[in-house]
Amino acid sequence: KAGVTQTPRYLIKTRGQQVTLSCSPISGHRSVSWYQQTPGQGLQFLFEYFSETQRNKGNFPGRFSGRQFSNSRSEMNVSTLELGDSALYLCASSLALLGTGQETQYFGPGTRLLVL
Amino acid sequence: DAKTTQPPSMDCAEGRAANLPCNHSTISGNEYVYWYRQIHSQGPQYIIHGLKNNETNEMASLIITEDRKSSTLILPHATLRDTAVYYCIVSSHPYGQNFVFGPGTRLSVLP
Repeated sequence: KAGVTQTPRYLIKTRGQQVTLSCSPISGHRSVSWYQQTPGQGLQFLFEYFSETQRNKGNFPGRFSGRQFSNSRSEMNVSTLELGDSALYLCASSLALLGTGQETQYFGPGTRLLVL
Repeated sequence: DAKTTQPPSMDCAEGRAANLPCNHSTISGNEYVYWYRQIHSQGPQYIIHGLKNNETNEMASLIITEDRKSSTLILPHATLRDTAVYYCIVSSHPYGQNFVFGPGTRLSVLP
């Protein structure tokens, strides 16, 4: 079974621009979560989508948004980029059967974003 | 905030067992303990998870104390490729899925 894929793998943007990152989950997984990883803050949860609905959200400003399509693929968007948005953005997919032990998240390789 | 605490770093000799502890004293009855590792800023890799019984797979063993307030991940024969940051996570999902990652334990396997 193919793993989680993320595109692009690397991206360079300038301040003020916007960016869209894409994630294709493992086949059959309906939950997609996004995380931001920086050296200073570590791995932080951005949001989770399940069946095209945002089900959970972390503590990030509204410049960070996402969506999920009917085939479970997901995109996240960051508008008005700031230097501090430079990070590794990770996507994870899961069956997300909450409370059953079948919540294992499988991570993609990430998209490394550099904001200049 | 993460619901787990782990030592920031540990060393282990190659070929020996690596025992990584994790405290999760506020864990609730239906919350699972998950372990992941991350190598060189790749995506975190799932290792193992459990609820109350000890678990073993091809990668590792997970020992959970009877009161469920702590657990230990055991890599039985550590190799240099096991050098990574190891994260212990308690699944917490009142409104959906959300893994809260702490700083983890940086395991260095030494030759």
